[in-house]
Amino acid sequence: EVQLVESGGGLVQPGRSLKLSCAASGFTFSDYNMAWVRQAPKKGLEWVATISYDGSSTYYRDSVKGRFTISRDNAKSTLYLQMDSLRSEDTATYYCARGSGGYSELGMDAWGQGASVTVSS
Amino acid sequence: DIQMTQSPASLSASLEEIVTITCQASQNIGNWLAWYQQKPGKSPQLLIYGTTSLADGVPSRFSGSRSGTQYSLKISRLQVEDIGIYYCQQASSTPYTFGAGTKLELK
Repeated sequence: EVQLVESGGGLVQPGRSLKLSCAASGFTFSDYNMAWVRQAPKKGLEWVATISYDGSSTYYRDSVKGRFTISRDNAKSTLYLQMDSLRSEDTATYYCARGSGGYSELGMDAWGQGASVTVSS
Repeated sequence: DIQMTQSPASLSASLEEIVTITCQASQNIGNWLAWYQQKPGKSPQLLIYGTTSLADGVPSRFSGSRSGTQYSLKISRLQVEDIGIYYCQQASSTPYTFGAGTKLELK
């Protein structure tokens, strides 16, 4: 069974950092592009970042570029999101998601349960 | 950025009714379009990828189509378990963008 389990969420002050982890199991992690998608309270879905299957390519939305870093450890089957200089508008549930068929172009076919991040003083 | 204009924002339908949700892309995205369902308090679930391909385990009453830059999700016979919010997403180019969502309720 494919499983994605996020951890590392919590309450953090503006300007501080937080690192999310996503532990993958039930599939060959190193074969798949992976992504982070967030959802602010009572709002829609917003793509945050994508990393290629081997970690050689990364992509970010403009609002997080230079502040967030997506990375992966294929030996540990784990995806990460390092979030620095956090802002109140980063408050959201962050989902780890798998590229369908290994490809980002085919949507995201497995999602974690989400990690809640609240940025507030 | 590619804008995805989704309609309607909300929809009330009866059991067994045919339901259609549409997304208009602001530019050509080819067939790189996916649909998701999100039930209250749950993570999104992939329904359709590549505009028309059904994801694993998704009932055949769901289908996707395209006319130019307009994409549609059709539920042929609405069931109770289909209630939730539906999102389209373009996967043609980054930043990948989602529609604003359609909240589907039972009449």
